[in-house]
Amino acid sequence: QQQVKQSPQSLIVQKGGISIINCAYENTAFDYFPWYQQFPGKGPALLIAIRPDVSEKKEGRFTISFNKSAKQFSLHIMDSQPGDSATYFCAARGGFTAGSYQLTFGKGTKLSVIP
Amino acid sequence: DSGVTQTPKHLITATGQRVTLRCSPRSGDLSVYWYQQSLDQGLQFLIQYYNGEERAKGNILERFSAQQFPDLHSELNLSSLELGDSALYFCASSADPRVDYGYTFGSGTRLTVV
Repeated sequence: QQQVKQSPQSLIVQKGGISIINCAYENTAFDYFPWYQQFPGKGPALLIAIRPDVSEKKEGRFTISFNKSAKQFSLHIMDSQPGDSATYFCAARGGFTAGSYQLTFGKGTKLSVIP
Repeated sequence: DSGVTQTPKHLITATGQRVTLRCSPRSGDLSVYWYQQSLDQGLQFLIQYYNGEERAKGNILERFSAQQFPDLHSELNLSSLELGDSALYFCASSADPRVDYGYTFGSGTRLTVV
């Protein structure tokens, strides 16, 4: 129940295209859904996040779509650029239990944007 | 610079040895999380500390241990190292988890066991 399933494992997109990464979860107690971007040799960095009471959040070229009933959320990268080439992780945060929150991460998607 | 400092950046050691990885959280952050990242396993949660106390444990091996000190820095100790322990080890921090939803990651320590 703590798993977050992410797909695809890898993605190749032409410059200017739309990159779409999908995640699904089972635990309805999750209350926060962030996406992290990781460049080689660097730590993951928070990219964009959404709460389950919102169906969509947009920041620049990055949009999260959230479907609470289906327990799915996705990251859309519009006008994808070579500089977006990185590994993307979706995550979900469990409820507050015994003073602790944890993020459960998907396995990551390696995005390559080709010129 | 994310504000989370991890040292050393790289570590090469032999099987059977013991190493200590250090993490200084972002100023004001009370929680520290340790993650292991290997090629085919994604980000694996190891352990969390909040204000000096252990709060959650993930898939942390018995050969691994951690602690958080009064100044809030944390150390991850890995002993009896095996080749399979080679990975990137990340530390992340966050403020009071009841009000701050974000994790800030450090740049990681790359451990190579030979």
